[in-house]
Amino acid sequence: DAKTTQPPSMDCAEGRAANLPCNHSTISGNEYVYWYRQIHSQGPQYIIHGLKNNETNEMASLIITEDRKSSTLILPHATLRDTAVYYCIVSGRSGYSTLTFGKGTMLLVSP
Amino acid sequence: EAGVVQSPRYKIIEKKQPVAFWCNPISGHNTLYWYRQNLGQGPELLIRYENEEAVDDSQLPKDRFSAERLKGVDSTLKIQPAELGDSAVYLCASSLESTGGYNEQFFGPGTRLTVL
Repeated sequence: DAKTTQPPSMDCAEGRAANLPCNHSTISGNEYVYWYRQIHSQGPQYIIHGLKNNETNEMASLIITEDRKSSTLILPHATLRDTAVYYCIVSGRSGYSTLTFGKGTMLLVSP
Repeated sequence: EAGVVQSPRYKIIEKKQPVAFWCNPISGHNTLYWYRQNLGQGPELLIRYENEEAVDDSQLPKDRFSAERLKGVDSTLKIQPAELGDSAVYLCASSLESTGGYNEQFFGPGTRLTVL
């Protein structure tokens, strides 16, 4: 699986958009970009995934560059409950492919 | 809908003692995972089950770790004997493999193990 690079930490004001970047320059053509987050003392939670098109769901938006070497997770209106570690993972489509978690980005949302 | 259930939530033992963790996945999920998460790190896969078959146990330290998945539902992860370096959070996750599906895993809250 391709390796990802994320900043170790980011800050965001409550109500503002949080934009979390991820580099995955070695991603292969059949690999997807997944985002999970982990709130303190909880297990990771799936957020969103994409292949090459931008994706949006009720939690977030995922913007993938045309060359697929990087992506950005967008939380449009961050709340205090969005404070968590966010993991960007490159993996195959199904559960037959392993999710390899890095250290992620610690997002702190402040009042 | 009930999520992934794990017990106990916390466990403190002395080194060289045995310990066991239990996981009940989401009903109907055929794939079950055990991860270990060290402080400040992301989760690392220990073992993956497809129904009752362990299909990926390459990262499981087999000299002291063992796991089983009874009738393709509940699972138990055991450490015997525990070492100081085994202190970590042990996470269980499950997913439903289906045609056209994607890699969404549902995680339990984890068991925090402290080895003294």
